[in-house]
Amino acid sequence: KAGVTQTPRYLIKTRGQQVTLSCSPISGHRSVSWYQQTPGQGLQFLFEYFSETQRNKGNFPGRFSGRQFSNSRSEMNVSTLELGDSALYLCASSLAYLGGGANVLTFGAGSRLTVL
Amino acid sequence: KNEVEQSPQNLTAQEGEFITINCSYSVGISALHWLQQHPGGGIVSLFMLSSGKKKHGRLIATINIQEKHSSLHITASHPRDSAVYICAVEADKLIFGTGTRLQVFP
Repeated sequence: KAGVTQTPRYLIKTRGQQVTLSCSPISGHRSVSWYQQTPGQGLQFLFEYFSETQRNKGNFPGRFSGRQFSNSRSEMNVSTLELGDSALYLCASSLAYLGGGANVLTFGAGSRLTVL
Repeated sequence: KNEVEQSPQNLTAQEGEFITINCSYSVGISALHWLQQHPGGGIVSLFMLSSGKKKHGRLIATINIQEKHSSLHITASHPRDSAVYICAVEADKLIFGTGTRLQVFP
């Protein structure tokens, strides 16, 4: 079966711009969670969507937002980009929501964002 | 203090050695995940544990819920095991350890 697909894989933006990243989960998975990975902070939880509802959000400013569509595909948006937003953005999908049971997570390959 | 502590941060081994990576956590969890990340960024889920012990090939993962501690063991290590291994605990979100960078030399 197809894995988790993230697009685009690489992108370069300038400060002040906005960016939208996409994550298509494994068929049948209803949870999509998003993570930011930087050399300084490591992996950090951004937010999780389950059945089109945001269930939880990490400690990130309001410039970071997301949504989930009825087919479970999810997008995240970062507005007014800052240099510090340069990172690898990963998503993961699972059948159940985080904390809801024994959850096997499947990660996408990530979208590497560079902000100049 | 971090909610998830992982040790060691770096590990170098000779091919064939037995390797242990440790993870301690301080929050209530529904499960603990061991993840592997190769250069380039892709993350692969190795184990999801809620109790006891799991084995997959040369990899063994254990968890002690009472002591809030988990270990990942690699038996007969091989250069292809070289990667970053990350412990993550699952509550209503994932909380990650800082990772262990493993290098296995022939």
